[in-house]
Amino acid sequence: DAGVTQSPTHLIKTRGQQVTLRCSPKSGHDTVSWYQQALGQGPQFIFQYYEEEERQRGNFPDRFSGHQFPNYSSELNVNALLLGDSALYLCASSLETGGFSTEAFFGQGTRLTVV
Amino acid sequence: AQTVTQSQPEMSVQEAETVTLSCTYDTSESDYYLFWYKQPPSRQMILVIRQEAYKQQNATENRFSVNFQKAAKSFSLKISDSQLGDAAMYFCAYRSNQGGGADGLTFGKGTHLIIQP
Repeated sequence: DAGVTQSPTHLIKTRGQQVTLRCSPKSGHDTVSWYQQALGQGPQFIFQYYEEEERQRGNFPDRFSGHQFPNYSSELNVNALLLGDSALYLCASSLETGGFSTEAFFGQGTRLTVV
Repeated sequence: AQTVTQSQPEMSVQEAETVTLSCTYDTSESDYYLFWYKQPPSRQMILVIRQEAYKQQNATENRFSVNFQKAAKSFSLKISDSQLGDAAMYFCAYRSNQGGGADGLTFGKGTHLIIQP
């Protein structure tokens, strides 16, 4: 079992550009959540995707958007990058079962640097 | 909104000794989960232990155990017989279980645990 995989591992972008980060969930999982972890801070919840729809969203602007594909993989898109978007972006997957979620398994993250 | 507070930015312990990491949280909900995650330098969050709020018994996983005080909204992690491999950032996290547990996790700021050989 490959677990949760994220790509790329590192990325450098210029202010104003757009970026797409990718996540493949753990085998058998159907729910994907994205988190932003600034240096020295705990992760902050961006949004969650289930059945190809955004189900819940944290306190992030519309510049942050996402998508979930039929195979449950997911993308996080950030438009009009700001220096403050520099962070580690974590993807977590879980399984909905009987109306409840199993615990989240995390990937190793994508380190985004905006210059 | 729920909040999670970890008041110890850094803790240090001698190898083979016991250390306790503190966590408090604020919520008006009665049904929720609490978690401790470990984040080593590899960056991957690893689940250490979880506690369901409706269970009175404290969770235990090998050398890791929690002291869950629901009324006080406290959820501390005890690591016994500390090992060098325990060195990492430790995050306390909350997840609502009202409405099917679909909520994202709310994390604290973390405690950096140092193991002295």
